[in-house]
Amino acid sequence: EVQLVESGGGLVQPGGSLRLSCAASGFTFSDYYMDWVRQAPGKGLEWVGRSRNRGNSYTTEYAASAKGRFTVSRDHSNYSLYLQMNSLRIEDTAVYYCVRGIIVAGIYYGMDVWGQGTTVTVSS
Amino acid sequence: DIQLTQSPSFLSASIGDRVAITCRASQGISDYLAWYQQKPGKAPKLLMYAASTLQSGVPSRFSGSGSDTDFTLTISNLQPEDFATYYCQQVKSYPLNFGGGTKVEIK
Repeated sequence: EVQLVESGGGLVQPGGSLRLSCAASGFTFSDYYMDWVRQAPGKGLEWVGRSRNRGNSYTTEYAASAKGRFTVSRDHSNYSLYLQMNSLRIEDTAVYYCVRGIIVAGIYYGMDVWGQGTTVTVSS
Repeated sequence: DIQLTQSPSFLSASIGDRVAITCRASQGISDYLAWYQQKPGKAPKLLMYAASTLQSGVPSRFSGSGSDTDFTLTISNLQPEDFATYYCQQVKSYPLNFGGGTKVEIK
């Protein structure tokens, strides 16, 4: 069964750091683009960042709100995706989802597997 | 950045109705559009990709159409489990923006 399980969320003070983890199973992790998407309380979805697949050298992309503060990385030995979040702000409070990308004929078309989400609260 | 505008933001409908949700992109995105369904407290679920390709396991009462800047998600014969919030997303260029969402509620 294809599955993504996030962990690492919690309460952190403004300016603090947190590392989210996502354990992947049931598919060949290195073949897929992986993303982080967040949802603030009562709000819509916001793409945060991406790690491309092995064929694209695991390069990364970030939303403007994340660039310079957040880092997406992978550990291939244990099929894990990470989101290192530094200099956290109150507006980073959200549920963070780990997501797998769907690729058809080499073209990325969307997000087909989602984790259950982990909640990050930034507050003093 | 490519902005996506969904309409309506809120839709009230009855069981068995046919409903349509539109998504307009601020610039052309060919068919690089996905649709998601989200129920309260749950992760989103992919319904449609490449604008009109039904994701495996999604009921055929869902259909997608459009290209370039104008897209539509249609739900025929609305069922109780379809009451949810729907989002479009462009995957043409970064940032991979989502639309603002359309909440479908029971009339």
